[in-house]
Amino acid sequence: DGGITQSPKYLFRKEGQNVTLSCEQNLNHDAMYWYRQDPGQGLRLIYYSQIVNDFQKGDIAEGYSVSREKKESFPLTVTSAQKNPTAFYLCASRYKITGELFFGEGSRLTVL
Amino acid sequence: QKEVEQNSGPLSVPEGAIASLNCTYSDRGSQSFFWYRQYSGKSPELIMFIYSNGDKEDGRFTAQLNKASQYVSLLIRDSQPSDSATYLCAVNPANAGGTSYGKLTFGQGTILTVHP
Repeated sequence: DGGITQSPKYLFRKEGQNVTLSCEQNLNHDAMYWYRQDPGQGLRLIYYSQIVNDFQKGDIAEGYSVSREKKESFPLTVTSAQKNPTAFYLCASRYKITGELFFGEGSRLTVL
Repeated sequence: QKEVEQNSGPLSVPEGAIASLNCTYSDRGSQSFFWYRQYSGKSPELIMFIYSNGDKEDGRFTAQLNKASQYVSLLIRDSQPSDSATYLCAVNPANAGGTSYGKLTFGQGTILTVHP
């Protein structure tokens, strides 16, 4: 089955630690995205990549980093510089024809 | 002004009624518009997309787009308790370099509750 796989589903982190969230897709989509969602809020764009080895900052990139070494993979690192990292993180890929996003199941990060 | 703004909820309608969800956007050149549904604790799923002015119908759902007024809406006919969720409007801005890639900006969402 084609889709987006995010891992881990739940993650706990101590303050000062970096964590990496995995995102893999087998839909053969060129573009991939990372969004953050806080309780009762919409989705805010962290980073996006339209092609391998290239990515752009979204609206809230500070404290995050990404890489795009393979078409299938777009990992997100939440660094210790991110002051309020507790949130629901959603990875998505974009279907070129219609422009719609396909989302993974999300990763819920809690900082202890 | 926010790029994408949705009517503040929560919105509560009785079963069988029409639910109306509204969204305005600031970028006049925006090209494509999407409505997503998100159940609590889950990821968003696409309901409909619309590119052209007018109405687009899919089952109980109708999307309406008015580019002159920078307004897109979603109507849900014969609302069911299973429609209770958060509805997210998303807009592809004009500076995205095309309709397929680039930023897709979301509104803050409207919580809909359909009560029996």
